[in-house]
Amino acid sequence: QLQLQESGPGRVKPSETLSLTCTVSGGSISSSSSYYWAWFRQPPGKGPEWIGSLFYSGTTYYDPSLRSRVTISVDMSENHFSLNLRSVSAADTAVYYCARVPRVAVAADHWGPGTLVTVSS
Amino acid sequence: EIVLTQSPATLSLSPGERATLSCRASQSVSRYLAWYQQKPGQAPRLLIYDASNRATGIPARFSGSGSGTDFTLTISRLEPEDFAVYYCQQRSNWPRNTFGQGTKLEI
Repeated sequence: QLQLQESGPGRVKPSETLSLTCTVSGGSISSSSSYYWAWFRQPPGKGPEWIGSLFYSGTTYYDPSLRSRVTISVDMSENHFSLNLRSVSAADTAVYYCARVPRVAVAADHWGPGTLVTVSS
Repeated sequence: EIVLTQSPATLSLSPGERATLSCRASQSVSRYLAWYQQKPGQAPRLLIYDASNRATGIPARFSGSGSGTDFTLTISRLEPEDFAVYYCQQRSNWPRNTFGQGTKLEI
C-alpha cells in the first residue's frame, strides 16, 4: 500500500530556508509515468494551497507566486522528493503535505499525514 | 487566477439527511473540478475528480455534478463520519490549481 511521509524541522527562523522531505513507500517514484508528485500547504484555518509538482522525469512546475523561492527535487535512489522554500516569513507558517497526483485524474489521491512548520525567531 | 467560492460556509444537518454543497468558479473550468473531505488533524481525502468521478473506495452516497462554473457535491444520506470540512479544487489551467475556502458540514 502506498504511503507518503513528510519529515523536516518543525520550526524555521524568518529569512531562512524551509527544507522538507517526502519519503514514498509501497511504490516507486521512478517506476511510472502515470503520476506527478506534489507539495501542498495549508495555513491555519484556511484551505489547501498548491506549491508545486514534480514529474518522474524530473520536470517541475511551481505556483507562480512562489516560483522565485521554491525548488522541488527528487532522489530516485532514496525514493523521496524534497521541498526547499527560501527566505521564509510568518506567512509561510502552515501544515505542509506531500501527495501523489495521478495523471488521469490530476487530483491528489494519496497524501502524507502532513507536518506543521512554524516560522518564528 | 481562477477563484473558487464555496457555499454555504457552514451547513448544519443531521445523520440521514441529504447534503448539498456548492462550488462556483470565477471563470469556466470545464469539468476539471475535484472534491475533498478533511477531518481535524488529517490530510484531505479525494472524493470526486473531474466533476463526477468517484475516487477509489468512495461510497456511492457521494456524488458530484456540474460543469463550467457551477458544481455540486451531494451526500445522499449523511453518516456520522461524513461531518467534516469539504473543499473543491480546480485544475483547468494545470499545473496551476486552486482550492475553495471550504464548507464545514456539522451536526
